[in-house]
Amino acid sequence: DIQMTQSPASLSASLGETVTIECRASEDIYNGLAWYQQKPGKSPQLLIYNANSLHTGVPSRFSGSGSGTQYSLKINSLQSEDVASYFCQQYYDYPFTFGSGTKLEIK
Amino acid sequence: EVQLQQSGPELRRPGSSVKLSCKASGYSITDYLMHWVKHRPEHGLEWIGWIDPEDGETKYAQKFQSKATLTADTSSNTAYMQLSSLTSEDTATYFCARFGSSPMDAWGQGASVTVSS
Repeated sequence: DIQMTQSPASLSASLGETVTIECRASEDIYNGLAWYQQKPGKSPQLLIYNANSLHTGVPSRFSGSGSGTQYSLKINSLQSEDVASYFCQQYYDYPFTFGSGTKLEIK
Repeated sequence: EVQLQQSGPELRRPGSSVKLSCKASGYSITDYLMHWVKHRPEHGLEWIGWIDPEDGETKYAQKFQSKATLTADTSSNTAYMQLSSLTSEDTATYFCARFGSSPMDAWGQGASVTVSS
């Protein structure tokens, strides 16, 4: 199985700041990577797919990048509504696997 | 509006089974694969498998091969997951999520399963 190592596990940042979350795959996943946001008590919401494609309706302050085994999610100009957990998922190979998540808080 | 409405919380005894439902609205389930995901806070998210409601084809993660059975009823636009031989390890929240040209772009609200004697 492809292991997804996500960092950091938690993150505290100020409003307006830029934050970056990273995922490293145990092998090349050829951009088969998605990022999701999950707010407490809610189901996950797709943010980014194919490593760098913004899902419909997602604010442009969210962006994804990377290739091979290294991927990142960047949130520009942090807003209060961005408080949530974020996790990556590889869907290049079965079984699909997820990162362990990053909990984002406002400082 | 696309919605996936999952069934309510379940409490089961060890060794029993449970069948969860995921009713789609706003689209036809035959147009997308339906995936199922397990969530335990201490273990994170685990992918269980998918079903193609159009022809019933399924794909499971190996560890859920004998645990989960995915089915779909196109007449009611509903997908189902049955979990058998329940143990405490099956206590979790289970999500359904559709997967099309973009992955898991709509999720159900989650269904809680508690296994306890």
